[in-house]
Amino acid sequence: SAVISQKPSRDICQRGTSLTIQCQVDSQVTMMFWYRQQPGQSLTLIATANQGSEATYESGFVIDKFPISRPNLTFSTLTVSNMSPEDSSIYLCSVAQRGKAFFGQGTRLTVV
Amino acid sequence: TQLLEQSPQFLSIQEGENLTVYCNSSSVFSSLQWYRQEPGEGPVLLVTVVTGGEVKKLKRLTFQFGDARKDSSLHITAAQPGDTGLYLCAGGYGGSQGNLIFGKGTKLSVKP
Repeated sequence: SAVISQKPSRDICQRGTSLTIQCQVDSQVTMMFWYRQQPGQSLTLIATANQGSEATYESGFVIDKFPISRPNLTFSTLTVSNMSPEDSSIYLCSVAQRGKAFFGQGTRLTVV
Repeated sequence: TQLLEQSPQFLSIQEGENLTVYCNSSSVFSSLQWYRQEPGEGPVLLVTVVTGGEVKKLKRLTFQFGDARKDSSLHITAAQPGDTGLYLCAGGYGGSQGNLIFGKGTKLSVKP
């Protein structure tokens, strides 16, 4: 199974600022996924990060708010821009191998 | 839009009791996965079922995929406090690339 390192594990940020979350995988993967998990809720897919092309965003999520980079097959970043308290959530990156999804430990973001 | 209805949303039981969590959809999935998530961690894959009618056992956990591949259940026998956590079902579609849709989760608390 893939080993995924995500950082930071948590952060407290001021509203109006931006935070970039990094995700490193121990093997090359075609697609990486970014999820949001609001307090007490399930996972909602934000976007799929493809190497060499723009990320594909789900309904309700836009590139200006959540820009994503995917410079190579083992790394991706998600930026949460111009943050507001409503962005307080856990953000998770995920990869798929042979039809199974594996997750990083998540980034717990609190916006004050 | 594919939806996964997971129930119950919350479950609080005593150690030694049995429980079943259900995951239902009107859509057919290529696979159904169950995850457990503990506070501060990302979801961890427990099992993947891919064949209609398939039953898989993992110690005291029994997973079943419905014949029509639209529903699944997780049964825990003689629950222990260590089983406490958020249980998530996820339906796979779109091939092996990891496209998943998650249920809302079942928050299980097992009291000693």
